[in-house]
Amino acid sequence: GQQVMQIPQYQHVQEGEDFTTYCNSSTTLSNIQWYKQRPGGHPVFLIQLVKSGEVKKQKRLTFQFGEAKKNSSLHITATQTTDVGTYFCAGQGNYQLIWGAGTKLIIKP
Amino acid sequence: NAGVMQNPRHLVRRRGQEARLRCSPMKGHSHVYWYRQLPEEGLKFMVYLQKENIIDESGMPKERFSAEFPKEGPSILRIQQVVRGDSAAYFCASSPRAGGQETQYFGPGTRLLVL
Repeated sequence: GQQVMQIPQYQHVQEGEDFTTYCNSSTTLSNIQWYKQRPGGHPVFLIQLVKSGEVKKQKRLTFQFGEAKKNSSLHITATQTTDVGTYFCAGQGNYQLIWGAGTKLIIKP
Repeated sequence: NAGVMQNPRHLVRRRGQEARLRCSPMKGHSHVYWYRQLPEEGLKFMVYLQKENIIDESGMPKERFSAEFPKEGPSILRIQQVVRGDSAAYFCASSPRAGGQETQYFGPGTRLLVL
């Protein structure tokens, strides 16, 4: 069946360093969505990418959708403590979203 | 416009009891999804429902778990004869239309603890 692999599982960064998470699908996706879950919270929608090669920015966050529409990335520039949480990608399935396992962003003390 | 509502927010059950989790979707949303999240793990899809219909229950355990979304009232996820391994956060999400084209709006979750 369809699978979305997301790496890394965890990323420890110093505040001010960059953070990147990658998603790779076993099949071509019609779209991909990104969500953020704060510790103890629930997933919150960030963005949806639809077009091949699409790049979208939200302040310090840059989202990319690969040319083949099988992979995507989220890059955060100059991380801040408010960025802490788990970032999930989710690709279009037949009836529902196929979720990556998430990448947990941890800021080193 | 109220968001997705889930109750209770926390639920404690002893082994063998039943757990009932409720989800009221956002106003105007007729598609509901249930997910389970174990500590430090990702979201696991359980079931997708529309009003009075189960569309996809491929993620639901075959035994003890059931879900419904009646014509009136909230969606219910029911777990019979709970075991310790059922302890998790259960999230409900809703969308206005079908499938992955639509953003899913999540409720705050129900944290189930089985003693």
